[in-house]
Amino acid sequence: QSVLTQPPSASGTPGQRVAMFCFGSSSNIGSNTVHWYQQLPGTAPKLLIYTNNQRPSGVPDRFSGSKSGTSASLAISGLQSEDEADYYCASWDDSLNGHWVFGGGTKLTVL
Amino acid sequence: QITLKESGPALVNPTLTLTLTCTFSGFSLSTSGVGVGWIRQPPGKALQWLALVYWDDDKRYSPSLKTRLTITKDTSKNQVVLIMTDMDPGDTATYYCARSTTSHGAFDYWGQGTLVTVSS
Repeated sequence: QSVLTQPPSASGTPGQRVAMFCFGSSSNIGSNTVHWYQQLPGTAPKLLIYTNNQRPSGVPDRFSGSKSGTSASLAISGLQSEDEADYYCASWDDSLNGHWVFGGGTKLTVL
Repeated sequence: QITLKESGPALVNPTLTLTLTCTFSGFSLSTSGVGVGWIRQPPGKALQWLALVYWDDDKRYSPSLKTRLTITKDTSKNQVVLIMTDMDPGDTATYYCARSTTSHGAFDYWGQGTLVTVSS
């Protein structure tokens, strides 16, 4: 059972905008920043969004992130087939001497 | 160019100890703000953070696994070692090491991962 809650699946058609969500609590998302990782099938995770809404170099601006209170969201506009992947949110949790927590992941299917 | 690579046994017997090594290049673990962590992923399941060591030797562990984990760094060899005791079939997973920096905290570079199967 993951500390951060993500819907297990999401889907969209090419060109569409999709959003996925990550729900936490006051000790993690409510107090700290959120990061998002993309994991393409059979590969290692890749940092997609850091510090709530920042994109690392090379990540298209089709990807955007936001945070409000104890929840965060990742949006993908102009959906492409290569966006089909698992997406994980993560945040630092201040409880128990501090530790990282991940969401259970959302599997995005491009129809 | 920053790279990380995990190494260790592919198969471990139950109750024994797992030792994994992360060998990295392109950055130094003596640089202020830098850390290297371990994250695992059981087959078909979600990512689970395990441990993290910072440049100043500050170490953090997953609360649920801390009694079984030890993380150490060897700055001269550009390596971070994770030791996990009392292995169980439930510990079967791909184990990743990744770099983190205190500037944003995220794991910005990841290794390719190494699959560890716990079975007799």
